[in-house]
Amino acid sequence: QVQLMESGGGVVQPGRSLRLSCAASGFTFATYAIHWVRQAPGKGLEWVAVISYDGHFQQYANSVKGRFTISRDKSRGTVFLQMDRLRTQDTAVYYCARDNYAYGFTYYFEHWGQGALVTVSS
Amino acid sequence: VLTQSPGTLSLSPGERATLSCRASQSVSSSDLAWYQQRPGQAPRLLLFGASNRATGVPDRFSGSGSGTDFTLTISRLEPEDYAVYFCQHYGGPPFTFGPGTKVDIK
Repeated sequence: QVQLMESGGGVVQPGRSLRLSCAASGFTFATYAIHWVRQAPGKGLEWVAVISYDGHFQQYANSVKGRFTISRDKSRGTVFLQMDRLRTQDTAVYYCARDNYAYGFTYYFEHWGQGALVTVSS
Repeated sequence: VLTQSPGTLSLSPGERATLSCRASQSVSSSDLAWYQQRPGQAPRLLLFGASNRATGVPDRFSGSGSGTDFTLTISRLEPEDYAVYFCQHYGGPPFTFGPGTKVDIK
């Protein structure tokens, strides 16, 4: 079955960097776009970024554009979210989620990871 | 922008739940989804295209609406249905979620 597992969360000071990983299994990794969605403590959901199935297209929310970079490694079946110049308002649980359509985008998500907590605090 | 009402809905098991999602401007019903999130868990997709149930979703969950007003209905609440429900517009960018409606036990 489809499995997504985030790692790399932790506590980091404002202005520093952190890289999250999303290890995928149970499906053909190279045929699906992968998204990141975050949820601040006790708050709602915010879409963060997407990378296409082949890695050639990336798209970001305005709130993270220029600070976050999404990438993927086909050989490792893993998607990364490099987060630079972190702010306190980036504190959240970060979920990776698989897009629903092979070779395309739907931007809604049937398959999610369990989430990784990122805390930005001095 | 999506708004959801009520913020909290207190109902007894077996009752009918009606949750509202309102968009600040008209959206295509093809681009509206609903999720359920239980405490400590990732969201679960319930409906896409406003009314299409995702894999394995019981038929007590149904969706309707068009334009700016959409509704998620749970026909008879089961114990596992007490959770937070989010709507999502995915026809963007931006790809926005509503703030959520919490369904708790009366």
